Amino acid sequence: EAQVTQNPRYLITVTGKKLTVTCSQNMNHEYMSWYRQDPGLGLRQIYYSMNVEVTDKGDVPEGYKVSRKEKRNFPLILESPSPNQTSLYFCASSLGLGGANVLTFGAGSRLTVL
Amino acid sequence: AQSVTQPDIHITVSEGASLELRCNYSYGATPYLFWYVQSPGQGLQLLLKYFSGDTLVQGIKGFEAEFKRSQSSFNLRKPSVHWSDAAEYFCAVVGTSGTYKYIFGTGTRLKVLA
Repeated sequence: EAQVTQNPRYLITVTGKKLTVTCSQNMNHEYMSWYRQDPGLGLRQIYYSMNVEVTDKGDVPEGYKVSRKEKRNFPLILESPSPNQTSLYFCASSLGLGGANVLTFGAGSRLTVL
Repeated sequence: AQSVTQPDIHITVSEGASLELRCNYSYGATPYLFWYVQSPGQGLQLLLKYFSGDTLVQGIKGFEAEFKRSQSSFNLRKPSVHWSDAAEYFCAVVGTSGTYKYIFGTGTRLKVLA
């Protein structure tokens, strides 16, 4: 089944404790992206990647890192999480970057930082 | 600035009633337009999209949307709502050239009364 898989789905952590949210897709998609969803703000893009070893900042990249060493994986790294990073995170992918390429979303990862 | 506005944060309808969710966009040119649905605990799923041609587009689950260029709108409709339609709905736009960045609205949460 074609899908985007995120792990963990739920995580509670403490301020400053490094964590990684993994994202993997099995559709050979070139484009991958991370979003955070907060009430009243919709989805905001954190980082995106157009291909292996090519990443770029979205609208809210502060406090996050990403890497794209393999086409299928696009992990989101929080080096020193803070409470304002408590949010629902979505990874998404598409075949390419053009607007006609529909995004496929993962199920989401709910992160709480205490 | 490019933006998507969903003026209704919450909408409540009775099962069997008709539904219209509003979406207005601000963009330099006509973008690609999308509606996504997010069921509780799930990722976003594409309902329908408009790229060009017929301004009335049909989607999954009996939804349709009409593109009105003069009003910069892309409203989502359903003639008869089912209890399973309770979810959050997001309108999104993507440019047809340039950065191809997705811009999401803030979402409309639909509640369905039995």
